[in-house]
Amino acid sequence: EVQLVESGGGLVQPGGSLRLSCADSGFTFSTYWMHWVRQAPGKGLVWVSRINSDGSSTSYADSVRGRFTISRDNAKNTLYLQMNSLRAEDTAVYFCASGSWGWGVYWGQGTLVTVSS
Amino acid sequence: EIVMTQSPATLSVSPGERATLSCRASQSVSSNLAWYQQNPGQAPRLLIDGASTRATGIPARFSGSGSGTEFTLTINSLQSEDFAVYYCQQYNNWPFTFGQGTRLEIK
Repeated sequence: EVQLVESGGGLVQPGGSLRLSCADSGFTFSTYWMHWVRQAPGKGLVWVSRINSDGSSTSYADSVRGRFTISRDNAKNTLYLQMNSLRAEDTAVYFCASGSWGWGVYWGQGTLVTVSS
Repeated sequence: EIVMTQSPATLSVSPGERATLSCRASQSVSSNLAWYQQNPGQAPRLLIDGASTRATGIPARFSGSGSGTEFTLTINSLQSEDFAVYYCQQYNNWPFTFGQGTRLEIK
């Protein structure tokens, strides 16, 4: 069974950086597309980024393109999101999800990123 | 960017009754639409993909329909655990986009 666990969230100052991780304890990580979706406090869901199974194809929302980088290490069953030049509007719970190219079948519990001085 | 609009924002229904949630796309998304359920403090849970295909383990009282720009999620015989927020999501065009959500509350 797929179980996703995010880590790496926390409090960071505007302009700072964080790297989120999403570890998959299952055995099929390398076969799935992986995604990052965020949710600002009290708000709806926003798709941030996605990466295909071998890491050769990535997509980003306009709001994070050029600042965030998605990557994966299939040997470690881990997905990453490197977040640079963070802004207050990046404050959110960040969920990783796995599954198909277009939708998330399995979801982690989320990790909170707070950008504030 | 495709804008997804859900209605109503809040729906009050009694347990055992039927709930009908709507989702409209600003342009055609074919059948590339998913529905999710989210409880407070939890991750979204996939209910439906392909507009009408129930995800593994989802009870038969959940059904999805529609194509193009108009979609519906129907929940029959509402159970206590069904009262949550529901989101539709299109994956026809990048960036994928969600509706703003419908809160299903107990009447």
